[in-house]
Amino acid sequence: NAGVMQNPRHLVRRRGQEARLRCSPMKGHSHVYWYRQLPEEGLKFMVYLQKENIIDESGMPKERFSAEFPKEGPSILRIQQVVRGDSAAYFCASSPWTGDIHTEAFFGQGTRLTVV
Amino acid sequence: GDSVTQMEGPVTLSEEAFLTINCTYTATGYPSLFWYVQYPGEGLQLLLKATKADDKGSNKGFEATYRKETTSFHLEKGSVQVSDSAVYFCALSSNAGKSTFGDGTTLTVKP
Repeated sequence: NAGVMQNPRHLVRRRGQEARLRCSPMKGHSHVYWYRQLPEEGLKFMVYLQKENIIDESGMPKERFSAEFPKEGPSILRIQQVVRGDSAAYFCASSPWTGDIHTEAFFGQGTRLTVV
Repeated sequence: GDSVTQMEGPVTLSEEAFLTINCTYTATGYPSLFWYVQYPGEGLQLLLKATKADDKGSNKGFEATYRKETTSFHLEKGSVQVSDSAVYFCALSSNAGKSTFGDGTTLTVKP
């Protein structure tokens, strides 16, 4: 059973370009979470999605950032018109639905975005 | 809202020394508590977890006990190795999968 797969592992974008980060959850997992880690800091929650639904986007910047988790295919975190401050590691995690708040989420290896 | 406060680093120890990394939290309800480890350039690996008060999580010689009365989840290891050098994150989850993380503590173990 493959783990959470994120790609690309490293992404370089020029200011003003768009960045698309992909996350394929573990098999059987229907919940996806995106986190951002700025240099020398901890992870900050961005958004929580289920298939075709955004459940909690309280950590998403109001502009330029969007996320989706379609019925088929990976979850996508999209950053439009990137700026240098978007340079960070973006981590995806997934979990199954068990009805238990203590269900563990599993993390991917992350995508390191560098804006030049 | 939920928050996690970790002991500031960096922490430098000699091999075979005793390790403690302090972690305290603020949360509504009864969260699960976690310690994650991150090696350079890598993602997060779950080190151990505890889901209710007085539970002790343990793995690879590391231990942490869920203390509700002091809202703490301190990480300990009796004898560290060079290979334990990494960044350690304390985290809590009040809603499956949505976690709040501390800022991380960098541990360097010297031979």
